[in-house]
Amino acid sequence: GESVGLHLPTLSVQEGDNSIINCAYSNSASDYFIWYKQESGKGPQFIIDIRSNMDKRQGQRVTVLLNKTVKHLSLQIAATQPGDSAVYFCAENIYGDFNKFYFGSGTKLNVKP
Amino acid sequence: SQTIHQWPATLVQPVGSPLSLECTVEGTSNPNLYWYRQAAGRGLQLLFYSVGIGQISSEVPQNLSASRPQDRQFILSSKKLLLSDSGFYLCAWSVWGTGFNYGYTFGSGTRLTVV
Repeated sequence: GESVGLHLPTLSVQEGDNSIINCAYSNSASDYFIWYKQESGKGPQFIIDIRSNMDKRQGQRVTVLLNKTVKHLSLQIAATQPGDSAVYFCAENIYGDFNKFYFGSGTKLNVKP
Repeated sequence: SQTIHQWPATLVQPVGSPLSLECTVEGTSNPNLYWYRQAAGRGLQLLFYSVGIGQISSEVPQNLSASRPQDRQFILSSKKLLLSDSGFYLCAWSVWGTGFNYGYTFGSGTRLTVV
């Protein structure tokens, strides 16, 4: 469900390193997941998605991993760049409740040059 | 191509004043429309969503209301603003395809400060 009242955890990485951002979900009926990136003062933007019938999906420099057994989702960013600095949210869509996505609390990624 | 317009970008309003934020979508028909609020440094809170003209679902009881007078227009309103209404307001739309929601496209947001 939504975690809107929590302060954002921060992940600090060195430029060029790989980043891993994690997200836990609780509903076993969640069957579609999206990672969003939100830069300061802007609306969130779609990064990558994955359906529950997949374990892994790759994009350009990003990979999403889904572990349904432990209800865990991760976003891996390869060779992190300063432009990757943003807040990252995972969002889940629950089967039978198609109209809404439920957002995680978000993680702030800080890339150090 | 589909685009979403949200305005104004920033707004400073006194306590007790009314509010009207507008969101319009172009390039799609019968979208689902959403209003989210985000407090500083926090997550996204769903306020309202609409699956069609005149249809509004309210997620959180509060000082706000929403209306959808046209297929691609979604309005967020308040008769009297409270200090707690301050935040970053985001409009979003989504499309359906064969019973599948492909996720949101967000607008650029409105930064509301109630003083």
